[in-house]
Formats: sequence, structure tokens, C-alpha cells
Amino acid sequence: EPEVTQTPSHQVTQMGQEVILRCVPISNHLYFYWYRQILGQKVEFLVSFYNNEISEKSEIFDDQFSVERPDGSNFTLKIRSTKLEDSAMYFCASSSYDRSTTDTQYFGPGTRLTVL
Amino acid sequence: SQQGEEDPQALSIQEGENATMNCSYKTSINNLQWYRQNSGRGLVHLILIRSNEREKHSGRLRVTLDTSKKSSSLLITASRAADTASYFCATDAQLKGEKLTFGTGTRLTIIP
Repeated sequence: EPEVTQTPSHQVTQMGQEVILRCVPISNHLYFYWYRQILGQKVEFLVSFYNNEISEKSEIFDDQFSVERPDGSNFTLKIRSTKLEDSAMYFCASSSYDRSTTDTQYFGPGTRLTVL
Repeated sequence: SQQGEEDPQALSIQEGENATMNCSYKTSINNLQWYRQNSGRGLVHLILIRSNEREKHSGRLRVTLDTSKKSSSLLITASRAADTASYFCATDAQLKGEKLTFGTGTRLTIIP
């Protein structure tokens, strides 16, 4: 069964450094998302992406964040200058465009980002 | 106010018993989905129920939706130790590709 994959599984970085989190969505999906979950808290929406542009973004997704679909398979989240409070689990998700299918969003296993 | 609040926050039951978790939300929805998360791991999709549906089954899972009360319940029958996890409801509003708004989750522990 197709699945969303994410790399790396764990990223440790120093405050102020740039990080890029990578995702490979399910191949025939056209909607892509990033969410994050701070330890012990609820999952929060960051950004959605469709047709090579951002569809919606949350207040969390400020100028330090950016997303890109550099090729036909990868979807990346970049944090330009990490802060301590960016430490969280970051989830990528994708969903199908096909109107005959459900709106299920399928999530990757997550990347745990630790900012020191 | 928060969209998506589950109760109870934590639930411990004996293996073999049924587990019921509830979710309430505040705004109109298109779909409501339930996800499972094992400790520190990813989110596994369990079931989606549309706003025009009232009940849905999948294996040992039964989900109900009451849009008049803005609430949903997830029933896991004949629980197993492997069902130990956190369970979240997530709602989306109207459009295809809409973001999901997650609840706070119920931590379910199945005692062997």
C-alpha cells in the first residue's frame, strides 16, 4: 500500500541553523500538508500546498518557514533560522485530488526536530 | 475555544472490554476523521465519516456522528493490548484539500 515517507526521522540542530525536512507524498496525490506536534500537545496545521503554491497557512507559518516541491516527488519544509520553540514532531501529509475518492489525509511517520 | 476536544483525556480498560472515546467540535464540518498515534510515532488513519453520515463501521471500529450536537464517538470493541495508543479526531470544513483541525486526543491504555 502506498505511503507517505519522511526523512530524516530525527534531526538535531543548533539554534539559528537552517533545517530542511523532506517528504515524499503518495505518488498520485496533489494536495500536500505540513503539521507539527509539540511534545504532549495537539497536532497543529502549518501549511497546505496545491498546484505548486501555498493554499493556506497558519499563524505559526511565519517568514522563517517555506515549502517547496523541487521535483515531481519531494515536498520540503525549510526553517531558515531555528528557534528552541521549533522543537517538535513535524508531519507531512497528502491527499488525493480525485473527486470520487474520500478526503482522507495520509500522514508520514514524522521527523522529530530537536533544537539545542 | 478549540475545534475538537476529546474526552476522556485518558482511559484505561481491561483487554477484551469495549472502549468509547468522544469528540466535540465547534464549527460546521465536511468530514470528521479519527487517527491513532502510538507513542512518539506517526498518525495512522482509522476512519472517515462525512457530515451527511450518522454511523460507520470498519472492523472493530464504530464511529458515530451527530452534527446537531457537533459530536462524534469512536467505539473500539473487544479491545486488545495493541490498541494502546492516543486517538485523535480531526475535522475539515468545506473544501477539498482543506486543513485538518485536530482535537486534544484520548490516551487509551489496554490492560492485559
